[in-house]
Amino acid sequence: AQSVTQPDIHITVSEGASLELRCNYSYGATPYLFWYVQSPGQGLQLLLKYFSGDTLVQGIKGFEAEFKRSQSSFNLRKPSVHWSDAAEYFCAVGAGYGNKLVFGAGTILRVKS
Amino acid sequence: DTGVSQNPRHKITKRGQNVTFRCDPISEHNRLYWYRQTLGQGPEFLTYFQNEAQLEKSRLLSDRFSAERPKGSFSTLEIQRTEQGDSAMYLCASRPPLRAGDTQYFGPGTRLTVL
Repeated sequence: AQSVTQPDIHITVSEGASLELRCNYSYGATPYLFWYVQSPGQGLQLLLKYFSGDTLVQGIKGFEAEFKRSQSSFNLRKPSVHWSDAAEYFCAVGAGYGNKLVFGAGTILRVKS
Repeated sequence: DTGVSQNPRHKITKRGQNVTFRCDPISEHNRLYWYRQTLGQGPEFLTYFQNEAQLEKSRLLSDRFSAERPKGSFSTLEIQRTEQGDSAMYLCASRPPLRAGDTQYFGPGTRLTVL
């Protein structure tokens, strides 16, 4: 069965510091991978996605992620975090014919000034 | 493109009551998904429609849950005889036709509290 693991429940970084959020997936075929962000009381907003091709994908708000098949990972990175990036981040894999999303448990990002 | 809308945004009900939520997808999106998100967890898939056909249901969707999309546009999710364990955020998402892997666009969700 498909699954996604986000090992870090909480991460705190200083404003201006770099960020890496980890994501590991389990899926038998070529995965479709996504990162979504959720602010309190808000729906999920797509940051970026990977389907095929270049394994380094660029997203909105200065985020990028790298697909590493050998490590079954799709880690999210940002070189310099802004206070407005504080939110919860979800990694997901698209599974099955209908490409339903299987989500990880999320990582809560706190940004300290 | 007005986005996915969900109503109501919040619902408080007593255990044993029935509730119904509505989702209006982005126009011309033929796929519609329902997810449930409990505190501290990521969203979990419940069911999805392609046009008016319900093509997959999760085992999470007990007999008390029913979803419809009668004309292939909006969808409703009904929970009968609510239980406290049903308290969660119910999220709806829609996706355009064709090309596997396209983005699912999420609505703001309906937060259900069962007392």
